[in-house]
Amino acid sequence: AQKITQTQPGMFVQEKEAVTLDCTYDTSDQSYGLFWYKQPSSGEMIFLIYQGSYDEQNATEGRYSLNFQKARKSANLVISASQLGDSAMYFCAMRDVLTGANSKLTFGKGITLSVRP
Amino acid sequence: DTAVSQTPKYLVTQMGNDKSIKCEQNLGHDTMYWYKQDSKKFLKIMFSYNNKELIINETVPNRFSPKSPDKAHLNLHINSLELGDSAVYFCASSSRTQQYFGPGTRLTVT
Repeated sequence: AQKITQTQPGMFVQEKEAVTLDCTYDTSDQSYGLFWYKQPSSGEMIFLIYQGSYDEQNATEGRYSLNFQKARKSANLVISASQLGDSAMYFCAMRDVLTGANSKLTFGKGITLSVRP
Repeated sequence: DTAVSQTPKYLVTQMGNDKSIKCEQNLGHDTMYWYKQDSKKFLKIMFSYNNKELIINETVPNRFSPKSPDKAHLNLHINSLELGDSAVYFCASSSRTQQYFGPGTRLTVT
C-alpha cells in the first residue's frame, strides 16, 4: 500500500521568497511516480510537477522544483520567488508506475500556503 | 481548449434523488478516473476506467455507477442520494506521467 504524509501546518511565506513544502511517502513499489498539485480557492486541481522514481535529476517546471531524496523517501516541492497567486492548498500524490496510467493516485492531506505581500 | 471538462459545476439536490455528472477529455488518454474530495479536502479514488473497461472500484456504494461510452467520456450516475454524498467530485484522465483533473462538480444534498 502507498502512503503520503504531509504534516506541515499552514505555511506562510513572504512574497518573492522561496518556500519548501514537505512530502514524505511510503511504498513497497520499485517504480513509482510522485506528483504535486495546486488547489486554489476556486477549487480546480492544477498539475504542477512530476518526478519518476528512476529519474536521475530532480524535476523542474518554471518556478517549481522537486527536491527528491529517494533514500529518505521525501519529495519536497520548492517554489521560488513566491507570488500572491501561489496562495493555495498543495497536494502531494504518488502512484505505481509499472501499471502505468491505470494506477490511481494516492494523495496526502495537503498543505495550505499563504503568501504575504 | 479544455483538456478535461465536467458538467455541471454545481449540483444541488434533495435526498433520494438520482443525478448524473458528465466528464469528457480531449487529451487522447486511455484512462479516466473519478475522485471524491470530502469536506476536509481529502481526495480519494472512486473508480478508474481504461478504454471503457472498469479497472478500479474502491469500495464505493453501489448507488454510484460509472459509465464509459467511449474512452473520451466517463460519466457518474448516483442513485438515491444521501446527505453524506455531499462533496466535490473530480474527473481525471491520465497518461503515464501526468494526470489532469476536471474543474470539479460540487454536489450538495439537502
